[in-house]
Amino acid sequence: KQEVTQIPAALSVPEGENLVLNCSFTDSAIYNLQWFRQDPGKGLTSLLLIQSSQREQTSGRLNASLDKSSGRSTLYIAASQPGDSATYLCAVTGNQFYFGTGTSLTVIP
Amino acid sequence: SQTIHQWPATLVQPVGSPLSLECTVEGTSNPNLYWYRQAAGRGLQLLFYSIGIDQISSEVPQNLSASRPQDRQFILSSKKLLLSDSGFYLCAWSWKTVSNYGYTFGSGTRLTVV
Repeated sequence: KQEVTQIPAALSVPEGENLVLNCSFTDSAIYNLQWFRQDPGKGLTSLLLIQSSQREQTSGRLNASLDKSSGRSTLYIAASQPGDSATYLCAVTGNQFYFGTGTSLTVIP
Repeated sequence: SQTIHQWPATLVQPVGSPLSLECTVEGTSNPNLYWYRQAAGRGLQLLFYSIGIDQISSEVPQNLSASRPQDRQFILSSKKLLLSDSGFYLCAWSWKTVSNYGYTFGSGTRLTVV
């Protein structure tokens, strides 16, 4: 069974800092990997989707990479802002959809 | 464009009362639909998924049930709520293009059983 792990569980950084969130998965047989953002009490917003054949995707200050062979993905956030504070979830699509437990990010003004 | 609607946004229900949460999708046909639950401090757990009308699979045994009376409507129900049913419930649909495949989520329902 696929297991998705996100480290760290929580992260607090000062505004302006660049940061990396990590996601690892145990089964490399995936179709794609998605990064989501969840604000407190809100639904999930898709940030980036990387197909299994791709190495990375970029959207604004966000860059997600995928190394399928090693079962790892990273979400890089450049020049962090207080508005980036949220929980970030990665999810892999195989024969089912598997979520990580998330990283709670706090950006301190 | 495709949209997904979930309601209500928040709900407080007494133990033993019934539950009905609704989810509808617009702008697409025959979507795969999902119900997830996020308990406090825990990850997302898949509860039910449906590939078509009256085609529903349950991922975990529980006090809940799901129905799909129409192509784009997915309902999560319970006859008698338990305290452990409290959580954040998310509906989702999966989409597929020629070269891509992903999920879109509703805004969620915060259920508190008291």
